[in-house]
Amino acid sequence: DAKTTQPNSMESNEEEPVHLPCNHSTISGTDYIHWYRQLPSQGPEYVIHGLTSNVNNRMASLAIAEDRKSSTLILHRATLRDAAVYYCILRTTGNQFYFGTGTSLTVIP
Amino acid sequence: EAGVAQSPRYKIIEKRQSVAFWCNPISGHATLYWYQQILGQGPKLLIQFQNNGVVDDSQLPKDRFSAERLKGVDSTLKIQPAKLEDSAVYLCASSLLQGRKNEQFFGPGTRLTVL
Repeated sequence: DAKTTQPNSMESNEEEPVHLPCNHSTISGTDYIHWYRQLPSQGPEYVIHGLTSNVNNRMASLAIAEDRKSSTLILHRATLRDAAVYYCILRTTGNQFYFGTGTSLTVIP
Repeated sequence: EAGVAQSPRYKIIEKRQSVAFWCNPISGHATLYWYQQILGQGPKLLIQFQNNGVVDDSQLPKDRFSAERLKGVDSTLKIQPAKLEDSAVYLCASSLLQGRKNEQFFGPGTRLTVL
């Protein structure tokens, strides 16, 4: 399995930026980096994905290290609705999609 | 746009009984996935379909689990007979295409409790 390593949990104050790290030292040149999040009692929800360049969308930004062995999901202003488990996933040519245990984000009012 | 539909939302059965879950993907999505999510863990892929063909079922316990997508649209996942360790949320997801760039859309899941 294409593995990623994330901290088990993180906390953030409401309306402050959040940087969620992910290590993927075994990434290959064609693997895409995906981020999903899962709110309580819901199915996972797509957040963002990238290959080499940094990416922005309406939900978040994805910063990818130059050697691609790590990436960071950036929530620019955390809200209470952003409290969720965030999964960093490598999407490989072998079609593997390994979620891991993710990072549980707590947003403090 | 309607999302991925799953039923039932909850199911309680006794061990050794059989159970089936149903999934209707987003219209036009060729790829369908079934995941198992045990409490406290991330989802684990059980099987992936491309239209009505199986792409990957390497993690499906084939002695008790089966899945089909006969007309390339909706799908059923069956467990027969169920064991205590099958207690989990079963998630269905779909994507427009199979490739590494494509996002998956998840349904709300079916929570199975095996007593």
